Amino acid sequence: ELKVEQNPLFLSMQEGKNYTIYCNYSTTSDRLYWYRQDPGKSLESLFVLLSNGAVKQEGRLMASLDTKARLSTLHITAAVHDLSATYFCAVAPYQTGANNLFFGTGTRLTVIP
Amino acid sequence: EAGVAQSPRYKIIEKRQSVAFWCNPISGHATLYWYQQILGQGPKLLIQFQNNGVVDDSQLPKDRFSAERLKGVDSTLKIQPAKLEDSAVYLCASSSPLLQSGANVLTFGAGSRLTVL
Repeated sequence: ELKVEQNPLFLSMQEGKNYTIYCNYSTTSDRLYWYRQDPGKSLESLFVLLSNGAVKQEGRLMASLDTKARLSTLHITAAVHDLSATYFCAVAPYQTGANNLFFGTGTRLTVIP
Repeated sequence: EAGVAQSPRYKIIEKRQSVAFWCNPISGHATLYWYQQILGQGPKLLIQFQNNGVVDDSQLPKDRFSAERLKGVDSTLKIQPAKLEDSAVYLCASSSPLLQSGANVLTFGAGSRLTVL
């Protein structure tokens, strides 16, 4: 069974600090997606990583992908309150051929002023 | 462009009752997905349609869940009879055909929150 594990599950950090969220997955894939979900809202696409070594940055968030280690990271630089949300990684495995996504458990981030 | 529309936003029913959710994807998106998101968990795929055909329904509890996309546009997800463990948010998503890059970004609707008492 495909597993997508994120850690930490909960993260409380002060404004201005840096931190990294980790996403490990158990299948062969070179397509990794990061989504953000605000409380009571739907999921918003943040990053699409399509190859080994891919790095994408948007504002204070930077995502990277290591397909050999089956690991993606989401790095937060100088956190601000507006980044408080739940962050999900999702994997599209090769073998399904159906292009659906398997989501991790999510990391709930709280940025404290 | 208009987003993925879902209704109703909230529904409360008693166990053993039935419920239906409706989804209208982004215009031109051939692929439509229904995900179930239980509180505190990541979304789990229930069923995927390509136009009006089912691509993957391996995780759909077929004894109580059914879904259709008759004209290849909007879709309905039904639960009958509902159980307590069906309490969740039901998310509909759609995507356009794969770009040359291989990316398949799903756009999600706001979700339908079901509470089963």
